[in-house]
Amino acid sequence: SQTIHQWPATLVQPVGSPLSLECTVEGTSNPNLYWYRQAAGRGLQLLFYSVGIGQISSEVPQNLSASRPQDRQFILSSKKLLLSDSGFYLCAWTPPYGAADEKLFFGSGTQLSVL
Amino acid sequence: GEDVEQSLFLSVREGDSSVINCTYTDSSSTYLYWYKQEPGAGLQLLTYIFSNMDMKQDQRLTVLLNKKDKHLSLRIADTQTGDSAIYFCAESPNVNKFYFGSGTKLNVKP
Repeated sequence: SQTIHQWPATLVQPVGSPLSLECTVEGTSNPNLYWYRQAAGRGLQLLFYSVGIGQISSEVPQNLSASRPQDRQFILSSKKLLLSDSGFYLCAWTPPYGAADEKLFFGSGTQLSVL
Repeated sequence: GEDVEQSLFLSVREGDSSVINCTYTDSSSTYLYWYKQEPGAGLQLLTYIFSNMDMKQDQRLTVLLNKKDKHLSLRIADTQTGDSAIYFCAESPNVNKFYFGSGTKLNVKP
């Protein structure tokens, strides 16, 4: 069966520090991968998605970047965090295009507090 | 096609039915989804409906879809305190893209 792992669960970082959040998926090949952000009391904002290694699409201009160095690994980064980067970050995956299931499956999330 | 709207709060008594409503904008979505989020956790897929269906029932959950009005609802029968969570409606108008509403916080009072 497929599983998605996301870490760390919580993170407190000072303004101006770098960020690296990691997400891996097991039990599938060539998944589509996503990073979402959920600000406090608000809905989910799609940040990045990837359909393959090295292929990243950005949904909104921001202080963050994403990379996909391996098929089932998705990394969210920042060189210098801002206060406004605080939020709950969720990694998610779907089977590759053409698969029967068009469903999005989420990791357990990372609560990032920038102070 | 990225605007998905939901009311923010719903409060019901244990044993009553809950109805959570959602409107979406893009009629090209093949599937529409309901997700549940418990505090501090990721989103769990509850149920989904194919766009050519009007209704789908899954145990205590009933999903109704009105394509003409672009309206989706989730009915939870015999609501329990364990159903307290945030419920998200989502659409997928394009391959690889999923758009979510702001979530409805369901509070179930004993």
